[in-house]
Amino acid sequence: EVQLVESGGGLVQPGGSLRLSCAASGFTLSSYLMRWVRQAPGKGLEWVSSIVGGGASTYYADSVKGRFTISRDISMNTLYLQMNSLRAEDTAIYYCAKSLSETGHSPADYWGQGTLVTVSS
Amino acid sequence: EILLTQSPGTLSLSPGERATLSCRASQSVSSNYLAWYQQKPGQAPSLLIYGASNRATGIPDRFSGSGSGTDFTLTVSRLEPEDSAVYYCHQYGTSPLTFGPGTKVDIK
Repeated sequence: EVQLVESGGGLVQPGGSLRLSCAASGFTLSSYLMRWVRQAPGKGLEWVSSIVGGGASTYYADSVKGRFTISRDISMNTLYLQMNSLRAEDTAIYYCAKSLSETGHSPADYWGQGTLVTVSS
Repeated sequence: EILLTQSPGTLSLSPGERATLSCRASQSVSSNYLAWYQQKPGQAPSLLIYGASNRATGIPDRFSGSGSGTDFTLTVSRLEPEDSAVYYCHQYGTSPLTFGPGTKVDIK
């Protein structure tokens, strides 16, 4: 059974950093493209970042480029999102999601339950 | 960036009725890489349709998707109480990936 469990969210001050983790089970990260998608409180969905199954290519939304870094540890089967220089507008529930295939052009078919990041002083 | 517009914003229907949700893209969606998600309060989104018309695993056949290019439709043929949710369209063919603002479906 595919499971994705996010952790690492919390309250952080503007300009601070957080690292989110997404522990995957039931499949191998290296075989699928993985994504982070966020949802501000009461708002819609926003794609944040993707990493292809082989890990060679990563992609970012303009709103986080240069501040966030996606990575994964195949041995731990865990996906990460390092978030630096956090802003109030980064406040959201962050979901990790598995895609249907190893590369792009496939939608996310499994999502974690999300972890809440709140950026506030 | 491909902007997705969804209509109506809210749909209020009775059980057994048919729901028709629209998604319009600001430019053609590459190879019909268009998906529909259902999100219930407090839950993560759940994949319903991908490739504009392919049902995801386990999705009942009363959910169907259609369309191409810039105009797409999600149809729920016979609404059930558990279909009360927000429905998002999503294009995954062109970076940046984008989502529509959602259509809220209320079951009376």
